[in-house]
Amino acid sequence: AQSVSQHNHHVILSEAASLELGCNYSYGGTVNLFWYVQYPGQHLQLLLKYFSGDPLVKGIKGFEAEFIKSKFSFNLRKPSVQWSDTAEYFCAVISLMDTGRRALTFGSGTRLQVQP
Amino acid sequence: DSGVTQTPKHLITATGQRVTLRCSPRSGDLSVYWYQQSLDQGLQFLIQYYNGEERAKGNILERFSAQQFPDLHSELNLSSLELGDSALYFCASTTAGGGAGELFFGEGSRLTVL
Repeated sequence: AQSVSQHNHHVILSEAASLELGCNYSYGGTVNLFWYVQYPGQHLQLLLKYFSGDPLVKGIKGFEAEFIKSKFSFNLRKPSVQWSDTAEYFCAVISLMDTGRRALTFGSGTRLQVQP
Repeated sequence: DSGVTQTPKHLITATGQRVTLRCSPRSGDLSVYWYQQSLDQGLQFLIQYYNGEERAKGNILERFSAQQFPDLHSELNLSSLELGDSALYFCASTTAGGGAGELFFGEGSRLTVL
């Protein structure tokens, strides 16, 4: 099964700083990639997704991610973070299970803390 | 509000006990996924059902089982509970069966095993 690695476990930024969260996936042919966000005490919500086409994907709330096939990466970026961006961010990939079926596999998550 | 409803929101029980977590998917969604979120394991895929049938299985213990009923709601049964089963259990739904679409998550059921 494909796996997803998020190397930054905890990131602390000041408001207006730029953000880049790393995400790498293992090779597995066609990839479908996602970023989800979990605000404190809330459920996971989709930020953006990539299936095909333009490798630079725009999501909600000013987030974007770039699919770089040669680097097996799908890093999340935002030019200027706000305090309200404090949350946990999960990268995910459609993964082929041992059963031959597919399911969404998540990375371990990156906790972002934005200080006012 | 994602449209996915999970009950109960919080549950405290003792080791060795059995609990059932319930999930009602968004209207029209045929696929239901169960995930376990714990501090040390992150967000782990447990199992997926599509229109009543098991579609994919992840890191689900033999002590755990799930099913999806004809009205498309799903239940996750956890038995012989251990301290390590304490976690947040999320249900998610989508229209797609192959897992390619966006998942809509419920608020989760927080299980505490004492």
